Amino acid sequence: EIVLTQSPATLSLSPGERATLSCGASQSVSSYLAWYQQKPGQAPRLLIYDASNRATGIPARFSGSGSGTDFTLTISSLEPEDFAVYYCQQRSNWPWTFGQGTKVEIK
Amino acid sequence: EVQLLESGGGLVQPGGSLRLSCAASGFTFSNYAMTWVRQAPGKGLEWVSAISGSGSSADYADSVKGRFTISRDNSKNTLYLQMNSLRAEDTAIYYCAKCSSPQYFDSWGQGTLVTVSS
Repeated sequence: EIVLTQSPATLSLSPGERATLSCGASQSVSSYLAWYQQKPGQAPRLLIYDASNRATGIPARFSGSGSGTDFTLTISSLEPEDFAVYYCQQRSNWPWTFGQGTKVEIK
Repeated sequence: EVQLLESGGGLVQPGGSLRLSCAASGFTFSNYAMTWVRQAPGKGLEWVSAISGSGSSADYADSVKGRFTISRDNSKNTLYLQMNSLRAEDTAIYYCAKCSSPQYFDSWGQGTLVTVSS
Protein backbone atom coordinates (compact mmCIF):
# COMPACT_ATOMS: atom_id res chain seq x y z
CA GLU A 1 0.00 0.00 0.00
CA ILE A 2 1.24 3.47 -0.90
CA VAL A 3 1.38 5.77 2.11
CA LEU A 4 0.81 9.48 1.53
CA THR A 5 2.25 11.82 4.15
CA GLN A 6 0.99 15.40 4.24
CA SER A 7 2.75 18.31 5.87
CA PRO A 8 2.26 20.37 7.83
CA ALA A 9 -0.65 18.96 9.83
CA THR A 10 -1.91 22.49 10.42
CA LEU A 11 -1.13 25.72 8.60
CA SER A 12 -2.08 28.98 10.31
CA LEU A 13 -2.30 31.85 7.83
CA SER A 14 -4.15 35.10 7.25
CA PRO A 15 -6.44 35.90 4.31
CA GLY A 16 -4.38 37.10 1.37
CA GLU A 17 -1.35 35.02 2.28
CA ARG A 18 0.08 32.21 0.17
CA ALA A 19 -0.44 28.63 1.32
CA THR A 20 1.91 25.80 0.40
CA LEU A 21 0.84 22.25 1.27
CA SER A 22 2.99 19.16 0.71
CA CYS A 23 2.21 15.53 0.02
CA GLY A 24 4.89 12.83 -0.06
CA ALA A 25 4.36 9.32 -1.38
CA SER A 26 6.12 6.21 -0.05
CA GLN A 27 6.79 5.18 -3.66
CA SER A 28 6.35 6.81 -7.02
CA VAL A 29 2.77 7.53 -8.09
CA SER A 30 3.88 9.20 -11.32
CA SER A 31 1.42 12.08 -11.75
CA TYR A 32 -1.61 10.13 -10.53
CA LEU A 33 -2.36 12.38 -7.60
CA ALA A 34 -5.35 14.52 -6.69
CA TRP A 35 -6.13 17.16 -4.10
CA TYR A 36 -9.50 17.57 -2.33
CA GLN A 37 -10.88 20.29 -0.09
CA GLN A 38 -13.27 19.51 2.75
CA LYS A 39 -15.13 22.04 4.85
CA PRO A 40 -16.82 21.13 8.16
CA GLY A 41 -20.02 19.18 7.68
CA GLN A 42 -19.52 18.92 3.94
CA ALA A 43 -18.39 16.27 1.49
CA PRO A 44 -14.94 16.65 -0.06
CA ARG A 45 -14.54 18.53 -3.34
CA LEU A 46 -12.07 17.70 -6.08
CA LEU A 47 -9.64 20.57 -6.67
CA ILE A 48 -6.70 19.19 -8.66
CA TYR A 49 -6.25 15.94 -10.60
CA ASP A 50 -3.23 14.32 -12.21
CA ALA A 51 -1.03 16.51 -10.01
CA SER A 52 -1.54 19.80 -11.83
CA ASN A 53 -4.92 19.98 -13.57
CA ARG A 54 -7.65 22.09 -12.01
CA ALA A 55 -11.04 20.43 -11.80
CA THR A 56 -14.08 22.09 -13.32
CA GLY A 57 -14.98 25.36 -11.65
CA ILE A 58 -11.90 25.57 -9.43
CA PRO A 59 -10.43 29.08 -9.17
CA ALA A 60 -7.03 29.81 -10.68
CA ARG A 61 -5.57 30.63 -7.25
CA PHE A 62 -5.35 26.86 -6.68
CA SER A 63 -2.43 25.14 -8.39
CA GLY A 64 -0.73 21.79 -8.09
CA SER A 65 2.73 20.59 -8.99
CA GLY A 66 5.04 17.63 -8.62
CA SER A 67 5.53 14.10 -9.84
CA GLY A 68 6.93 10.84 -8.57
CA THR A 69 6.94 11.11 -4.77
CA ASP A 70 6.74 14.84 -4.01
CA PHE A 71 3.71 17.03 -4.62
CA THR A 72 2.60 20.53 -3.69
CA LEU A 73 -0.74 22.31 -3.56
CA THR A 74 -0.43 26.09 -3.63
CA ILE A 75 -3.14 28.60 -2.88
CA SER A 76 -1.75 31.86 -4.17
CA SER A 77 -3.82 34.22 -2.03
CA LEU A 78 -6.13 32.80 0.61
CA GLU A 79 -9.78 33.77 0.47
CA PRO A 80 -11.99 33.39 3.57
CA GLU A 81 -13.72 30.37 2.00
CA ASP A 82 -10.38 28.53 1.55
CA PHE A 83 -9.94 27.76 5.23
CA ALA A 84 -10.60 24.04 5.29
CA VAL A 85 -8.91 20.64 5.37
CA TYR A 86 -7.04 19.47 2.27
CA TYR A 87 -6.33 15.86 1.34
CA CYS A 88 -4.12 14.32 -1.31
CA GLN A 89 -5.08 11.00 -2.91
CA GLN A 90 -3.29 8.61 -5.27
CA ARG A 91 -4.77 6.36 -7.93
CA SER A 92 -1.47 4.89 -9.16
CA ASN A 93 -1.77 1.61 -7.26
CA TRP A 94 -4.53 -0.37 -5.58
CA PRO A 95 -5.62 0.28 -2.95
CA TRP A 96 -6.23 3.93 -3.64
CA THR A 97 -5.09 5.90 -0.60
CA PHE A 98 -5.48 9.34 0.95
CA GLY A 99 -3.09 11.42 2.98
CA GLN A 100 -4.05 12.28 6.55
CA GLY A 101 -4.94 15.87 5.68
CA THR A 102 -3.66 19.40 6.25
CA LYS A 103 -5.88 21.87 8.05
CA VAL A 104 -5.56 25.45 6.84
CA GLU A 105 -6.79 27.67 9.66
CA ILE A 106 -7.16 31.38 10.14
CA LYS A 107 -4.27 32.92 12.05
CA GLU B 1 -26.45 18.44 -12.42
CA VAL B 2 -24.94 15.34 -10.84
CA GLN B 3 -26.74 14.24 -7.69
CA LEU B 4 -25.78 11.37 -5.39
CA LEU B 5 -28.02 10.51 -2.46
CA GLU B 6 -26.89 7.92 0.07
CA SER B 7 -29.23 6.07 2.40
CA GLY B 8 -29.28 3.04 4.66
CA GLY B 9 -27.03 4.18 7.46
CA GLY B 10 -27.89 3.75 11.11
CA LEU B 11 -27.01 2.05 14.38
CA VAL B 12 -26.03 -1.62 14.20
CA GLN B 13 -24.53 -4.00 16.73
CA PRO B 14 -21.04 -5.45 16.29
CA GLY B 15 -21.22 -8.47 14.01
CA GLY B 16 -24.32 -7.15 12.31
CA SER B 17 -25.03 -6.21 8.71
CA LEU B 18 -26.19 -3.14 6.85
CA ARG B 19 -26.73 -2.27 3.19
CA LEU B 20 -26.05 1.23 1.97
CA SER B 21 -27.56 2.62 -1.21
CA CYS B 22 -26.58 5.56 -3.38
CA ALA B 23 -29.13 6.86 -5.87
CA ALA B 24 -27.54 8.67 -8.79
CA SER B 25 -28.97 11.18 -11.25
CA GLY B 26 -27.81 13.82 -13.70
CA PHE B 27 -25.38 11.63 -15.65
CA THR B 28 -25.25 8.35 -17.56
CA PHE B 29 -24.69 6.11 -14.57
CA SER B 30 -23.48 3.02 -16.42
CA ASN B 31 -20.67 4.99 -18.08
CA TYR B 32 -18.82 5.68 -14.86
CA ALA B 33 -17.05 3.73 -12.17
CA MET B 34 -18.30 4.48 -8.67
CA THR B 35 -16.68 4.35 -5.30
CA TRP B 36 -17.32 4.40 -1.54
CA VAL B 37 -15.15 6.49 0.78
CA ARG B 38 -15.60 6.67 4.54
CA GLN B 39 -14.62 9.06 7.28
CA ALA B 40 -14.53 8.07 10.93
CA PRO B 41 -15.64 10.81 13.36
CA GLY B 42 -13.00 13.52 13.47
CA LYS B 43 -10.65 11.56 11.21
CA GLY B 44 -9.45 11.62 7.63
CA LEU B 45 -10.76 10.02 4.47
CA GLU B 46 -10.40 6.30 3.77
CA TRP B 47 -11.13 4.76 0.39
CA VAL B 48 -13.31 1.64 0.84
CA SER B 49 -14.28 0.14 -2.50
CA ALA B 50 -14.77 0.85 -6.20
CA ILE B 51 -16.69 -0.79 -9.02
CA SER B 52 -16.47 -0.43 -12.79
CA GLY B 53 -19.28 1.05 -14.85
CA SER B 54 -20.49 -2.35 -16.01
CA GLY B 55 -20.15 -3.86 -12.55
CA SER B 56 -17.82 -6.55 -13.84
CA SER B 57 -14.86 -5.58 -11.70
CA ALA B 58 -14.46 -4.30 -8.16
CA ASP B 59 -11.74 -3.70 -5.60
CA TYR B 60 -11.61 -3.22 -1.86
CA ALA B 61 -9.45 -1.81 0.88
CA ASP B 62 -7.77 -4.52 2.93
CA SER B 63 -9.68 -3.32 6.01
CA VAL B 64 -13.03 -4.39 4.48
CA LYS B 65 -12.05 -7.17 2.08
CA GLY B 66 -14.12 -10.28 2.68
CA ARG B 67 -16.71 -8.39 4.74
CA PHE B 68 -18.03 -5.71 2.36
CA THR B 69 -19.44 -6.17 -1.15
CA ILE B 70 -19.94 -3.37 -3.63
CA SER B 71 -22.51 -3.75 -6.40
CA ARG B 72 -24.61 -1.65 -8.73
CA ASP B 73 -27.92 -1.82 -10.59
CA ASN B 74 -27.52 0.25 -13.74
CA SER B 75 -31.22 -0.11 -14.55
CA LYS B 76 -32.00 1.70 -11.29
CA ASN B 77 -29.01 4.07 -11.32
CA THR B 78 -28.12 2.84 -7.87
CA LEU B 79 -24.88 1.85 -6.15
CA TYR B 80 -24.81 -0.44 -3.12
CA LEU B 81 -22.48 -1.43 -0.32
CA GLN B 82 -23.35 -4.58 1.59
CA MET B 83 -21.54 -4.52 4.91
CA ASN B 84 -21.32 -7.71 6.98
CA SER B 85 -19.49 -8.62 10.19
CA LEU B 86 -19.42 -4.99 11.19
CA ARG B 87 -16.91 -3.79 13.76
CA ALA B 88 -16.69 -0.72 15.95
CA GLU B 89 -13.92 0.60 13.69
CA ASP B 90 -16.34 0.64 10.76
CA THR B 91 -18.18 3.53 12.42
CA ALA B 92 -17.99 6.41 9.94
CA ILE B 93 -19.77 8.61 7.49
CA TYR B 94 -19.92 6.70 4.22
CA TYR B 95 -19.80 8.75 1.03
CA CYS B 96 -20.49 7.52 -2.45
CA ALA B 97 -18.64 9.28 -5.23
CA LYS B 98 -18.58 9.25 -9.01
CA CYS B 99 -15.26 8.45 -10.63
CA SER B 100 -14.29 10.84 -13.39
CA SER B 101 -12.15 9.98 -16.36
CA PRO B 102 -9.30 9.87 -15.32
CA GLN B 103 -10.46 8.09 -12.22
CA TYR B 104 -10.73 10.63 -9.47
CA PHE B 105 -13.75 11.38 -7.31
CA ASP B 106 -15.38 14.34 -9.02
CA SER B 107 -18.85 14.28 -7.45
CA TRP B 108 -19.81 13.24 -3.93
CA GLY B 109 -22.98 12.54 -2.02
CA GLN B 110 -23.71 14.10 1.34
CA GLY B 111 -22.86 10.89 3.20
CA THR B 112 -24.71 8.50 5.49
CA LEU B 113 -23.63 7.75 9.06
CA VAL B 114 -23.01 4.17 10.15
CA THR B 115 -22.56 3.57 13.86
CA VAL B 116 -21.45 0.16 15.09
CA SER B 117 -22.06 -0.13 18.80
CA SER B 118 -23.72 -2.37 21.35
